[in-house]
Amino acid sequence: SQELEQSPQSLIVQEGKNLTINCTSSKTLYGLYWYKQKYGEGLIFLMMLQKGGEEKSHEKITAKLDEKKQQSSLHITASQPSHAGIYLCGAGPNDYKLSFGAGTTVTVRA
Amino acid sequence: EPEVTQTPSHQVTQMGQEVILRCVPISNHLYFYWYRQILGQKVEFLVSFYNNEISEKSEIFDDQFSVERPDGSNFTLKIRSTKLEDSAMYFCASSSGSLRGAFFGQGTRLTVV
Repeated sequence: SQELEQSPQSLIVQEGKNLTINCTSSKTLYGLYWYKQKYGEGLIFLMMLQKGGEEKSHEKITAKLDEKKQQSSLHITASQPSHAGIYLCGAGPNDYKLSFGAGTTVTVRA
Repeated sequence: EPEVTQTPSHQVTQMGQEVILRCVPISNHLYFYWYRQILGQKVEFLVSFYNNEISEKSEIFDDQFSVERPDGSNFTLKIRSTKLEDSAMYFCASSSGSLRGAFFGQGTRLTVV
């Protein structure tokens, strides 16, 4: 199965500062999904990257896919308290059989 | 905004009992899935369902588990003879097609005592 390693495991950032989360896959990436989870709640779909070099943005969150490195990064610009949560990357041959990383816990300090 | 809804939000059951977890996927979605997350662990794929049959299942999804779409709106996960290790958060998800992103429900926290 596909193993996904996320780094860092957790981070604390001052409100207004930028942050980056990385996700590295043990196998070729066909599609890479980013989700956000609040503790004890469901996963919120953020975005999906499919092609090497693809970059997508949603509000202040940007994700990139480096197919050669089998890696994706998620970047948050000017973080806000609403960005706090657990960010999960998921990957698989299609939408449904996703393997997830362990998650990166983001804390935003006012 | 359309969402996947799951009921109940919490369920406590005695070991050996059967439980049914219910989900209402987003109405125009065709693909349905169950995942679970044991406390402190990763989210794990259980099963996918399309066109009224299982498309794929993981090693976790053994004979103890079954899924059903009894009508046009509900999607259920049945766990027969629950074990302590079945305690987890169970997530239902749905998508409109492959590579479109799966949308997850809020989960059902199952506690087996």
